Amino acid sequence: GAGVSQSPSNKVTEKGKDVELRCDPISGHTALYWYRQSLGQGLEFLIYFQGNSAPDKSGLPSDRFSAERTGGSVSTLTIQRTQQEDSAVYLCASSQRVIDTTGELFFGEGSRLTVL
Amino acid sequence: GESVGLHLPTLSVQEGDNSIINCAYSNSASDYFIWYKQESGKGPQFIIDIRSNMDKRQGQRVTVLLNKTVKHLSLQIAATQPGDSAVYFCAENIAGNTGKLIFGQGTTLQVKP
Repeated sequence: GAGVSQSPSNKVTEKGKDVELRCDPISGHTALYWYRQSLGQGLEFLIYFQGNSAPDKSGLPSDRFSAERTGGSVSTLTIQRTQQEDSAVYLCASSQRVIDTTGELFFGEGSRLTVL
Repeated sequence: GESVGLHLPTLSVQEGDNSIINCAYSNSASDYFIWYKQESGKGPQFIIDIRSNMDKRQGQRVTVLLNKTVKHLSLQIAATQPGDSAVYFCAENIAGNTGKLIFGQGTTLQVKP
């Protein structure tokens, strides 16, 4: 596709359930990022993948959160045993180059997660 | 300026006026700064960037100013239009910390016709 694609666009789940959020980056982009945006807040960095390097997981808030990127393309963010405070919009972004070369991250429209 | 609370600061301007959105960044080691625009229900979009060896950069209708002494960044929008209504975020990259953009809290710009 032409842009970053995320699915599902909306997810409502019950507390304690696991959820998976998917991101299809722009073809050829080597860098992929996950951010979380709570209502009325800025973007909170979660994790960053760059090529074949080990991902930077320093932003993951707890061990309930994990992410993988298969084949250098599609990424899945998994949240286990969801809690109400996990409710947020999860944004994925990709970039053709490392971030200190250009700041142009291309964001998807996000997956809105609501934990009841 | 930037809010440290739960509510985004709001700037309300008249169509055609110039807008100035401010941002106080957090880390003196940051060497690269970016402004993003986020419209309702969409992901952020890149507007303009600036490196720490510059103090001003101009784009189309937008200018970014960087004051490293006080760790302050501003975005100026000339002749503001209704389509400029959005939330604006500044982001910083800490030198040597490639890939981890740190975003500010955001400012809501409302353009009155």
